[in-house]
Amino acid sequence: KQEVTQIPAALSVPEGENLVLNCSFTDSAIYNLQWFRQDPGKGLTSLLLIQSSQREQTSGRLNASLDKSSGRSTLYIAASQPGDSATYLCAVDGSSNTGKLIFGQGTTLQVKP
Amino acid sequence: DAGVIQSPRHEVTEMGQEVTLRCKPISGHNSLFWYRQTMMRGLELLIYFNNNVPIDDSGMPEDRFSAKMPNASFSTLKIQPSEPRDSAVYFCASSFPGLGVDTQYFGPGTRLTVL
Repeated sequence: KQEVTQIPAALSVPEGENLVLNCSFTDSAIYNLQWFRQDPGKGLTSLLLIQSSQREQTSGRLNASLDKSSGRSTLYIAASQPGDSATYLCAVDGSSNTGKLIFGQGTTLQVKP
Repeated sequence: DAGVIQSPRHEVTEMGQEVTLRCKPISGHNSLFWYRQTMMRGLELLIYFNNNVPIDDSGMPEDRFSAKMPNASFSTLKIQPSEPRDSAVYFCASSFPGLGVDTQYFGPGTRLTVL
């Protein structure tokens, strides 16, 4: 059974700092991995999607990497801003490509001005 | 596009009552997902549909929960009878895997409180 773990559960950093969020999964047979952002009281917004054949994806100040063999993904945020404060969730889609996402518990990020 | 639309946004009901949550997916999307989010269990997939057909309902907690998708633009999640432990935020999401990009687009959620 696939399990997704995110460490740390919470993170507080000063504005401008570069930071890394971690995600690990137990079954390396995945179709893709996605990173989402959730603001308090809101739904999820997709940030990046990495197909199993890819190593990384970039969007603006965000860079996500994927290492299937070790069951790990990282989300790198450059030059953090207070507006980046939110909960970040990673989710894996198993090898059957069903869209059936298994989510981690998330990392709650606070960026202080 | 208006995105995924869910109603109501908030629902407060008493134990034993029937609750119906509604979802309108993004036009053209052919996959629809219902999730539940709680502090204890995080985000869990309850059921998903492809082309209006339920594909996997293994996440539905028990027979009190049922979901339907009568057409491509509407789905419901029903709880009957409701219990306090059903209190959670319920999200609907849709996607169009046929484009080769499997991003799921989430609605704003329905916050359910069962007293």
